[in-house]
Amino acid sequence: QSALTQPRSVSGSPGQSVSILCTGTSSDVGGYNYVSWYQQHPGKAPKLMIYDVSKRPSGVPDRFSGSKSGNTASLTISGLQAEDEADYYCCSYAGSYTWVFGGGTKLTVL
Amino acid sequence: EVQLVQSGAEVKKPGESLKISCQGSGNSFTTYWIGWVRQMPGKGLEWMGIIYPDDSDTRYSPSFQGHVTISAVKSTSTAYLQWSSLKTSDTAMYYCARLRPGFGENWFDPWGQGTLVTVSS
Repeated sequence: QSALTQPRSVSGSPGQSVSILCTGTSSDVGGYNYVSWYQQHPGKAPKLMIYDVSKRPSGVPDRFSGSKSGNTASLTISGLQAEDEADYYCCSYAGSYTWVFGGGTKLTVL
Repeated sequence: EVQLVQSGAEVKKPGESLKISCQGSGNSFTTYWIGWVRQMPGKGLEWMGIIYPDDSDTRYSPSFQGHVTISAVKSTSTAYLQWSSLKTSDTAMYYCARLRPGFGENWFDPWGQGTLVTVSS
């Protein structure tokens, strides 16, 4: 059960859009529509931003969106704002009541 | 609204035992699974395992099986993570979070505030 692959860092200017990719296998990302994304600010607990690939919990801005193609999921943040600067983690169900996280991506708002 | 409150920071020596807790509020604690997630200093999130407090059904990540024990006490809405012999490599922040995979809810929300465990001689 290997960690999902994410870029270590991405960056963008305020108002721009950025996408973070999350690559797994047919046993996790590709096998289930159960990808979730979490935002973590320094010293804080993770916060759910996207679940079931593309659904947003109540209170999460619609600037955040998710999608999936094959074994790769993506989180897109449009209209970047300074407060979006954080670490982002993808997570996928991997069958038999097991889950796997990505290595995390640091988003820098320039 | 369900909240998860974790026990406070711990400082231990190698070889010592430790049990940290995660207490849920609300009547529905036993209808959800509780997961544990490790975050080593400066590193990413790692799924450790989950428990269903209603019957203590427990699943572990292969990476953590045999190294930690997850348990729960239904009557107090509390889940636990314990070590019998800590190592310096167990130094990390540990989070608990709720999920309900039996209902197709395969996401972690909400999260506890985290328990920092420091193991040092």
